[in-house]
Amino acid sequence: DIQLTQSPSFLSASVGDRVTITCRASQGITSYLAWYQQKPGKAPKLLIYAASTLQSGVPSRFSGSGSGTEFTLTISSLQPEDFATYYCQQLNDYPITFGQGTRLEIK
Amino acid sequence: QVQLQESGPGLVKPSETLSLTCTVSGYSISSGYYWGWIRQPPGKGLEWIGSIYHSGSTHYNPSLESRVTIFVDTSKNQFSLKLSSVTAADTAVYYCASTVGPQYTLLLPHWGQGTLVTVSS
Repeated sequence: DIQLTQSPSFLSASVGDRVTITCRASQGITSYLAWYQQKPGKAPKLLIYAASTLQSGVPSRFSGSGSGTEFTLTISSLQPEDFATYYCQQLNDYPITFGQGTRLEIK
Repeated sequence: QVQLQESGPGLVKPSETLSLTCTVSGYSISSGYYWGWIRQPPGKGLEWIGSIYHSGSTHYNPSLESRVTIFVDTSKNQFSLKLSSVTAADTAVYYCASTVGPQYTLLLPHWGQGTLVTVSS
């Protein structure tokens, strides 16, 4: 199984801040990585796939980068609606695995 | 627009079988793509349970494989999950999801709203 480790697990930031979340894979997965946003009581929402492709309708302040084993999700200027939990997911092989999540809270 | 809706009992007794159904609208399951189940214990992260192709071929999480069955009913445009011998550790919000969209077999652009299943006597 491909293990995904996100860092940090918890992040406190302010509106307008630039934040970066990292996802490390236990083996190389080229660009086969996606990012999801989940708000309390809601299903996860796809933000980015193929490491850097923005899903339709997702604001351009979200961006993704990386390949191989290290990936990042960046939010360029935090908005109030961005405070949520973020998960990475590998798209390389079964079994499907997710990172443990990064909780982004308002400072 | 693909829409998914989970249904099934919200309370299951220990050692019994959890059964959930996902009804799909806006897309015909028989047209292709994978259809899957993911769960999330209260306050915890996401765990993939398994996925099924429209033809019936399946992939399961090895940690659950001995207890899981996923099957498709194309006539009703539904797919279902059965998880046997449940314990309190199976208490979670269960989501159905689909890969309809970009050509990445494991990508999950569409999710149901989720349904909480509690295992308790």
